[in-house]
Amino acid sequence: QKEVEQNSGPLSVPEGAIASLNCTYSDRGSQSFFWYRQYSGKSPELIMFIYSNGDKEDGRFTAQLNKASQYVSLLIRDSQPSDSATYLCAVNNNYGQNFVFGPGTRLSVLP
Amino acid sequence: DTAVSQTPKYLVTQMGNDKSIKCEQNLGHDTMYWYKQDSKKFLKIMFSYNNKELIINETVPNRFSPKSPDKAHLNLHINSLELGDSAVYFCASSRGLAGLEQYFGPGTRLTVT
Repeated sequence: QKEVEQNSGPLSVPEGAIASLNCTYSDRGSQSFFWYRQYSGKSPELIMFIYSNGDKEDGRFTAQLNKASQYVSLLIRDSQPSDSATYLCAVNNNYGQNFVFGPGTRLSVLP
Repeated sequence: DTAVSQTPKYLVTQMGNDKSIKCEQNLGHDTMYWYKQDSKKFLKIMFSYNNKELIINETVPNRFSPKSPDKAHLNLHINSLELGDSAVYFCASSRGLAGLEQYFGPGTRLTVT
């Protein structure tokens, strides 16, 4: 059974702090990992993707992947109230046939 | 200018009716998807089409029938609508089969009464 798990939250952090969002997955065949952000009433938008173990940075966002532990995380530095949204983790194999989203973590950045 | 568009944005209908949702992408992508997001916000893939060919067909009732007239369009037809079909349906597209960088449409909120 392919599963992607996330803490549903809400995760509350003060403005300017680092928000850490975590995701675990059960399918060891997963090779591509994605983080999407979804504002209330809007569609998901891609923030980052990562394929290799280690860290990948893009502006205030850092994705971290550990395939041995089947764990992927997203760090948001200098969190802003505009970062308040639900963050969805998604994983798939490179054939695109097993594309699974996690339930999402709701992040609230307090001004 | 919209990359992935869906119509209608809202759809309210009665049980037993048949309805369709249309999706179009102007990104030149080869693969298109339909997702269902239920009231608990869980996003689940329903179908995936690559170059008009069905690739993924998750456990979805056969009342749901996708149709892809060309690789820029993927429509979703739903027969005999049920209360449990109420959800937001998202269309998405990506390059190739690997599901890289999926771009989502604005969603269609379906309410079955």
